Amino acid sequence: AQSVTQPDIHITVSEGASLELRCNYSYGATPYLFWYVQSPGQGLQLLLKYFSGDTLVQGIKGFEAEFKRSQSSFNLRKPSVHWSDAAEYFCAVAPANAGGTSYGKLTFGQGTILTVHP
Amino acid sequence: DTEVTQTPKHLVMGMTNKKSLKCEQHMGHRAMYWYKQKAKKPPELMFVYSYEKLSINESVPSRFSPECPNSSLLNLHLHALQPEDSALYLCASSQKLAMEQFFGPGTRLTVL
Repeated sequence: AQSVTQPDIHITVSEGASLELRCNYSYGATPYLFWYVQSPGQGLQLLLKYFSGDTLVQGIKGFEAEFKRSQSSFNLRKPSVHWSDAAEYFCAVAPANAGGTSYGKLTFGQGTILTVHP
Repeated sequence: DTEVTQTPKHLVMGMTNKKSLKCEQHMGHRAMYWYKQKAKKPPELMFVYSYEKLSINESVPSRFSPECPNSSLLNLHLHALQPEDSALYLCASSQKLAMEQFFGPGTRLTVL
């Protein structure tokens, strides 16, 4: 079964500082990988995705993520955090190969809450 | 139109009521999803529809009944819910299974 681990429940950074949110996954093959952001009481917004190809992917709002197959990781980064980035961030994986009973199922990590200090 | 809409935004219901949640997308997506999200937890998948057919049911109690009348619309019919069913219910859609999902703003459900 696929699983996602986000080791940091809560991260606090100062505005303008760099950010890295960690994500590790467990899956038999390379899955599709996603990062979503959620503000309180709102839906989830897709930040970026990795399907194949270049392991460094660019997303919206200045975020990027790097897929490292050897470490089963897909960490999210931003060089300079803005106060509006305060939210909860979810890493998610989905099977890439059709045919399995979980094809179409998105599995989320537990989330990382980001607090930004002025 | 690049959004998923959900109605109502808030719903309060008693345990004997019958209500429905509605989700709509006009992006031509052929996969649609229902999730349940409790406070401080990630979304939990409930149902997946692909080309209007139920593809995944994550062992959801029968008091939740999904319906996909057409490729743009997804309903979740609620009956005899329990207070522990109170949560944020999120709908999502994707071009097809396994592609990136786009989420609606959710319906905040409170069961009294």
